[in-house]
Amino acid sequence: GAGVSQSPSNKVTEKGKDVELRCDPISGHTALYWYRQSLGQGLEFLIYFQGNSAPDKSGLPSDRFSAERTGGSVSTLTIQRTQQEDSAVYLCASSLSDSSSYEQYFGPGTRLTVT
Amino acid sequence: AQRVTQPEKLLSVFKGAPVELKCNYSYSGSPELFWYVQYSRQRLQLLLRHISRESIKGFTADLNKGETSFHLKKPFAQEEDSAMYYCALSRSGYSTLTFGKGTMLLVSP
Repeated sequence: GAGVSQSPSNKVTEKGKDVELRCDPISGHTALYWYRQSLGQGLEFLIYFQGNSAPDKSGLPSDRFSAERTGGSVSTLTIQRTQQEDSAVYLCASSLSDSSSYEQYFGPGTRLTVT
Repeated sequence: AQRVTQPEKLLSVFKGAPVELKCNYSYSGSPELFWYVQYSRQRLQLLLRHISRESIKGFTADLNKGETSFHLKKPFAQEEDSAMYYCALSRSGYSTLTFGKGTMLLVSP
């Protein structure tokens, strides 16, 4: 079946602009994760959704970052007033449940460049 | 806070040579450890996890709680093993992953 999809694949934006990144998880997967992959920092956890529970936002680097998950499916990560340090590849992953026993399936990522 | 350390940014070996990618962690509880791999122009994917105690593509990894290590090993490297390898940890009762910074493995013919 279809894997996790993300859009856009690439986004170039000017410093100070807002951006929205979209993630479509695998159908039936209740857990959804956002990670960021940047040079020098590796892969960092940002935010996690599980079903109808309140999201775990503990990895968000600042209040400029927010995310929503509508209808338990599609998720949007929003970055307000982008800064150059926000340039990174943003990865989305989904899994059947929130147990670590379930594999996380990753999307192809959105490469964000802030100029 | 938990931490995963991969000391080598790059590991270069010849085909047929043994490979060991190092991973050390710090976490006060009982972690679950994973190895993820990203081949060129492909998605990040799970390679193996310590609870499965399995061998995937000839790779194995043993959790050593005394040394807080989870090194990835393969006795005979193949060119198709060239990729970026990430060690990752999840805390007891949580599914979110803490990743190391990754090791690029290059296998030359």
